[in-house]
Formats: sequence, structure tokens, C-alpha cells
Amino acid sequence: SQKIEQNSEALNIQEGKTATLTCNYTNYSPAYLQWYRQDPGRGPVFLLLIRENEKEKRKERLKVTFDTTLKQSLFHITASQPADSATYLCAPWRDDKIIFGKGTRLHILP
Amino acid sequence: EAQVTQNPRYLITVTGKKLTVTCSQNMNHEYMSWYRQDPGLGLRQIYYSMNVEVTDKGDVPEGYKVSRKEKRNFPLILESPSPNQTSLYFCASSRDRNIQYFGAGTRLSVL
Repeated sequence: SQKIEQNSEALNIQEGKTATLTCNYTNYSPAYLQWYRQDPGRGPVFLLLIRENEKEKRKERLKVTFDTTLKQSLFHITASQPADSATYLCAPWRDDKIIFGKGTRLHILP
Repeated sequence: EAQVTQNPRYLITVTGKKLTVTCSQNMNHEYMSWYRQDPGLGLRQIYYSMNVEVTDKGDVPEGYKVSRKEKRNFPLILESPSPNQTSLYFCASSRDRNIQYFGAGTRLSVL
């Protein structure tokens, strides 16, 4: 069955450094992959989308890569700030079906 | 302001008492869906709708009903709630079944 894996442990990063989050998927060939941010008790908010024919996408301090050979997406936040602390969800999509990963909790330490 | 509105935000009820959680969007989106989120399990899709009068099951539809009589509204109905339906529920809408816009969530406790 389709499986999405994100870092299950929380990630602690020093302020100003680059945070890198991983999303691996198996038994699945998504046409595109989305990343969302979720703050405690609130709904996820869309951040970035990358298509299967794109290697990299950027938006301000955010960068997403998509390696269909490795079946992996990496999400980077450069010059991280305490306000970036949240849970980040990856969500591959194919054939009208989106599956959300369980998310990685990111803590940016001042 | 573009938004997805869920009501109520918090609900405590007892086993077997029918309830409805409303969801409304003002973005003229065709696609709407309901998710539940539980610790350790992530977001799981309950039902979705691709247009008025078109609904389909997601991954965990048992114990839930939905209807889509108008484009903007997509209520979630629990005919006979049970304690295992205690969860955080999110409604979402999307223009092209792609980028999802989520509501603020409804925290439901079934005693």
C-alpha cells in the first residue's frame, strides 16, 4: 500500500541555520507533491507545490526538491527563525488522491 | 476574505446523539473534503466532494455521512457518534483538487 514517511522525531535547529525536512514515499508515483505548515490546533496552510518534472522550487526562504528516483522530497528553510517552529506536512498527489504524511515537528531554538 | 468556515469549533456530546458539523467556503471551489486528525495517525480523509451532489468515500468513511446540496456548503453528519470518533476535524476546499484550503478545525469529544 502507499506509504508516506516523514521524520518521526522532532527536529531542533539553531536559529539562523538551515532546517531540512525529509519526505519519503513508497509504492507510489505522485504527479506532484505539496508541503503544508500546521500550527498547534490550527488547520494546515499550503506552502509549496512541486511537480514530478521539476527538480527544485523556491519561495523566499523555502526550497523544495523532488527526486522521483529516490522517491524523496526535501524541504529546506534557510536562515531559520523561531517563528518557523511548527509541524510540516508533506502531501503527495496522484489521480485525484492526496495523502498527507504525519508531519515533522520543527523547533527553531533562539 | 477568502476562507473556509467550520462550526462549531468545539463540541462535547454523548454517544448516540446525532450531530452535524457545518463547513462553508466563499471561494467558489468545486472540491471539498473532510479530514480527521489523530495523534500518531496524521490527517486522514473521511469524505470528499468534487461538485454539487457528487460525493465519495475517503480512507475512513465509516460512521460518517456528508451531503453537497450547494457548492459552498459541505456538512459532516455523525448519525450515532461513538467515543472512537473523538478527534480534531478539518474541512478543506480546493479549486482544482490540488492546493487545499483548510478551516480552523472542530475539536469533537464523544463521551
